[in-house]
Amino acid sequence: NAGVTQTPKFQVLKTGQSMTLQCAQDMNHNSMYWYRQDPGMGLRLIYYSASEGTTDKGEVPNGYNVSRLNKREFSLRLESAAPSQTSVYFCASSERGQGAANEQFFGPGTRLTVL
Amino acid sequence: AQSVTQLDSQVPVFEEAPVELRCNYSSSVSVYLFWYVQYPNQGLQLLLKYLSGSTLVKGINGFEAEFNKSQTSFHLRKPSVHISDTAEYFCAVILAAGNKLTFGGGTRVLVKP
Repeated sequence: NAGVTQTPKFQVLKTGQSMTLQCAQDMNHNSMYWYRQDPGMGLRLIYYSASEGTTDKGEVPNGYNVSRLNKREFSLRLESAAPSQTSVYFCASSERGQGAANEQFFGPGTRLTVL
Repeated sequence: AQSVTQLDSQVPVFEEAPVELRCNYSSSVSVYLFWYVQYPNQGLQLLLKYLSGSTLVKGINGFEAEFNKSQTSFHLRKPSVHISDTAEYFCAVILAAGNKLTFGGGTRVLVKP
């Protein structure tokens, strides 16, 4: 049981390049999330998927797109990377998103640098 | 919308001393509250959560937190810290009918020998 896995662990991009961050969970969770972590700002929600087939914007969605490929996988795409997207990205999952304060389980993160 | 403020960005503390990390939230409706810990170069893991009932919540690794509705606070405490408690701690809130966590800015705890 690996929990939440993310690839890659590190990535360096040039401004304007594109890339996709991959996330998978093996806990049969319905809800998945993408966050970015910046110093002093905690984690901010980029996009989330309450269930397979649905996605919704979070607090900071601009410059990102997501795909809930199936129940296990939720990818985050940067179409044209900008230096402001330099951050650590975390994927998380929970049994269900609506109410009941389900614990979110986090992946180890992807450290992205955009030059 | 809800918001979370962690009043201390860094807390240095000596080994075996007590520590308190402060967290205040704002919301006009019922919320659930969480503390997460992030060890260096790792993801976040849940320390404890408050849903309802007793306002004193006990979590893993000897941590506890007290929910105070009148002061809209959820401070985290440990009576005696270890070197291994060196980490960043995040307070988070979710509306009782919601599905999105809102995190505070984090508090870095550095335990000194």
